[in-house]
Amino acid sequence: KQEVTQIPAALSVPEGENLVLNCSFTDSAIYNLQWFRQDPGKGLTSLLLIQSSQREQTSGRLNASLDKSSGRSTLYIAASQPGDSATYLCASRQPSGTYKYIFGTGTRLKVLA
Amino acid sequence: GAGVSQTPSNKVTEKGKYVELRCDPISGHTALYWYRQSLGQGPEFLIYFQGTGAADDSGLPNDRFFAVRPEGSVSTLKIQRTERGDSAVYLCASSPGQGNTGELFFGEGSRLTVL
Repeated sequence: KQEVTQIPAALSVPEGENLVLNCSFTDSAIYNLQWFRQDPGKGLTSLLLIQSSQREQTSGRLNASLDKSSGRSTLYIAASQPGDSATYLCASRQPSGTYKYIFGTGTRLKVLA
Repeated sequence: GAGVSQTPSNKVTEKGKYVELRCDPISGHTALYWYRQSLGQGPEFLIYFQGTGAADDSGLPNDRFFAVRPEGSVSTLKIQRTERGDSAVYLCASSPGQGNTGELFFGEGSRLTVL
């Protein structure tokens, strides 16, 4: 059974710092891995999607990497801004049998001005 | 519509009542998911539809929960005899479906409070 873990649960950094959020999964046989952002009281917004055959994806100041052999994905945020403050969630989808996504519990990020 | 739409955005009900939550997915998306999220937790899978059929309902917690998608578009999550423990945000997501990237697009959620 796939389990997804995100560490740390919360992170507070000064504006301008580069930072890395971690996501670990127990079953390396994944179809893809998706990173989301969630603002308080809101739904989830898709940030980046990495297919199992890919190593990384980039969008603006965000870069997500995937290492299936070690069961890890990282989300790198460059030059963090107060507007980046939110909860970041990762989710993995299994390749067959079911198309459900398993979510981590998220990392709550606060970027201080 | 442009995005996934969920109604109502907030629902307050009394213990024992029946509740329906509606999800209108992105037009053309064949896959539809229901998740439940409690405070401080990640979304918990409930059920997945491919077209009209429930391809995976393994996350439904008990037989008080039921979901339908009769025409392969709008879905309704139905909760009978609500309990206080059902209080949570119910999230709906849609995806282009099998053979595509599998990217999920979420609605804003329906916050259910059972008194």
